[in-house]
Amino acid sequence: NAGVTQTPKFRILKIGQSMTLQCTQDMNHNYMYWYRQDPGMGLKLIYYSVGAGITDKGEVPNGYNVSRSTTEDFPLRLELAAPSQTSVYFCASSYADRFYGYTFGSGTRLTVV
Amino acid sequence: DQQVKQNSPSLSVQEGRISILNCDYTNSMFDYFLWYKKYPAEGPTFLISISSIKDKNEDGRFTVFLNKSAKHLSLHIVPSQPGDSAVYFCAANGGSQGNLIFGKGTKLSVKP
Repeated sequence: NAGVTQTPKFRILKIGQSMTLQCTQDMNHNYMYWYRQDPGMGLKLIYYSVGAGITDKGEVPNGYNVSRSTTEDFPLRLELAAPSQTSVYFCASSYADRFYGYTFGSGTRLTVV
Repeated sequence: DQQVKQNSPSLSVQEGRISILNCDYTNSMFDYFLWYKKYPAEGPTFLISISSIKDKNEDGRFTVFLNKSAKHLSLHIVPSQPGDSAVYFCAANGGSQGNLIFGKGTKLSVKP
């Protein structure tokens, strides 16, 4: 069982470049989330989706975009990368809301220079 | 403003002893709390949870206690093992869709 798969694991971007962080889950979970974790900080929600075709902003959505065309995939798009986006990004999924724990991917470490 | 607070960035405990990790929250509307464990270079993994209608939930060596009047919960690990060394995150269901709000984490070190 793969669970939640994130690619790439590491990436260095130059200021102003764009990239897409990929996230795929094989558990048929309806809910998917993108969090970022800055050093010494907790995880902050960027975007989430409650099903294919439905996405919504979280706490820190600026500078990011998402799409959810299938149940399995939830890519996160960074446009015009900035040093403030240097972080570790985690994708997660859950079968339903709050009463189920999330399954997290192993993360993408992004550095913007 | 932090709604879920873990005020101790780190904790060091001797193997075999009890580890107590604390978490405070500000929003009395939270009705479900979870603990996650995170090893370096890995994603967080779900450890244990508790509903606000309970004051204790136990799973093997791990017990979570909830004090609603104090808006405080704690995770007890007994006995602590070196493999428990990790960062522990407290989380609460705070979003309109049930998305989780996380604390900053506490790094637990269990020394042999």
